[in-house]
Amino acid sequence: GAGVSQSPSNKVTEKGKDVELRCDPISGHTALYWYRQSLGQGLEFLIYFQGNSAPDKSGLPSDRFSAERTGGSVSTLTIQRTQQEDSAVYLCASLPRTSGNYEQYFGPGTRLTVT
Amino acid sequence: AQSVTQLDSHVSVSEGTPVLLRCNYSSSYSPSLFWYVQHPNKGLQLLLKYTSAATLVKGINGFEAEFKKSETSFHLTKPSAHMSDAAEYFCVVTSGGTSYGKLTFGQGTILTVHP
Repeated sequence: GAGVSQSPSNKVTEKGKDVELRCDPISGHTALYWYRQSLGQGLEFLIYFQGNSAPDKSGLPSDRFSAERTGGSVSTLTIQRTQQEDSAVYLCASLPRTSGNYEQYFGPGTRLTVT
Repeated sequence: AQSVTQLDSHVSVSEGTPVLLRCNYSSSYSPSLFWYVQHPNKGLQLLLKYTSAATLVKGINGFEAEFKKSETSFHLTKPSAHMSDAAEYFCVVTSGGTSYGKLTFGQGTILTVHP
């Protein structure tokens, strides 16, 4: 079946512009996560959704970052007034609500470059 | 709280020789542990997972890992390296409690395989 998809695959933007990154999780997966992979910082957790609510936003690096999820499916990560340090690969992952089995299915990522 | 330490940032082996990638973890709760692999410009792929069943876990492509609670380790091994194993490997921990399955990644180990 279809895996996790993300769009766009690559995004180049000018400093100060806003960007939106999209994630389509696997159908039926209620949990959704955003991570960021950047040089020098490795892979970092950003935010977690269970359904449409976000019980854990602790990884969002600043108030320029926000995310929402609608219909328990698609999620959008928005970065306002982008800065060069926002350049990274943004990864989305999903999993079914299964206690004790936290295998997450990752999308291919969106590579964001801020010039 | 949970954390992961990958003890080697780079490992270099010759084709046909054994591979050992070391990982230590800490977790306040019973952990689930994973190894993911990322080939250049590719997404994250799950190699294997430990979720409190057998302590010796077999994964794809001949990799295996042993969960040792007394040593808080989850080292990844393969008897004979292949050129296609060259990639970056991530040891990952998650646990129950309030982590909601949030993954915490190690810093990664880059595996180089020489002919």
